[in-house]
Amino acid sequence: KAGVTQTPRYLIKTRGQQVTLSCSPISGHRSVSWYQQTPGQGLQFLFEYFSETQRNKGNFPGRFSGRQFSNSRSEMNVSTLELGDSALYLCASSPARVTEAFFGQGTRLTVV
Amino acid sequence: DQQVKQNSPSLSVQEGRISILNCDYTNSMFDYFLWYKKYPAEGPTFLISISSIKDKNEDGRFTVFLNKSAKHLSLHIVPSQPGDSAVYFCAAILFYGGATNKLIFGTGTLLAVQP
Repeated sequence: KAGVTQTPRYLIKTRGQQVTLSCSPISGHRSVSWYQQTPGQGLQFLFEYFSETQRNKGNFPGRFSGRQFSNSRSEMNVSTLELGDSALYLCASSPARVTEAFFGQGTRLTVV
Repeated sequence: DQQVKQNSPSLSVQEGRISILNCDYTNSMFDYFLWYKKYPAEGPTFLISISSIKDKNEDGRFTVFLNKSAKHLSLHIVPSQPGDSAVYFCAAILFYGGATNKLIFGTGTLLAVQP
């Protein structure tokens, strides 16, 4: 069974630009969650999508948005990038009700 | 407000000995707890979980203990191996009646297993 696939692995963007990250969950998993990891803040929940609907959202500004497609693949978008958005962005795939969430390898975003 | 806390940023253990990683939480309504292992520049790898209605779960070298009255859980690794060296995160879930899968993570503990 293929794992969670995140693309791209690495990104360098300039302040003010926007970026789109992609996540393909494990086959059959309908829940996709996104997390931001920074050295100072640990792993912070961004949002969760289930069957193309956002079920929950963390405490991030509106510049962070996402969506989920009918095949459960998800994208995350960050607009008007700031230096503080530099982080490892992780996607987690789960069955309908999570008792274990499987993570992708992450996308390392660097904003310069 | 840090609902899940790992108060030890690092832990060093000799190979073959027991590693005990601790985690405290503040919300008594958490439904499930999970432990993850993470290497640099990689995603977390699921290790073991425990339901809030249980007090122990074991899987090979890994055992998780839950003390609900103390709002405390711990991960025991026996015997510890050098390949166990990584950052360990505990996480908690509030199911909100099944409506969401939000994991709340602790800040992590760096485990170093010395050969």
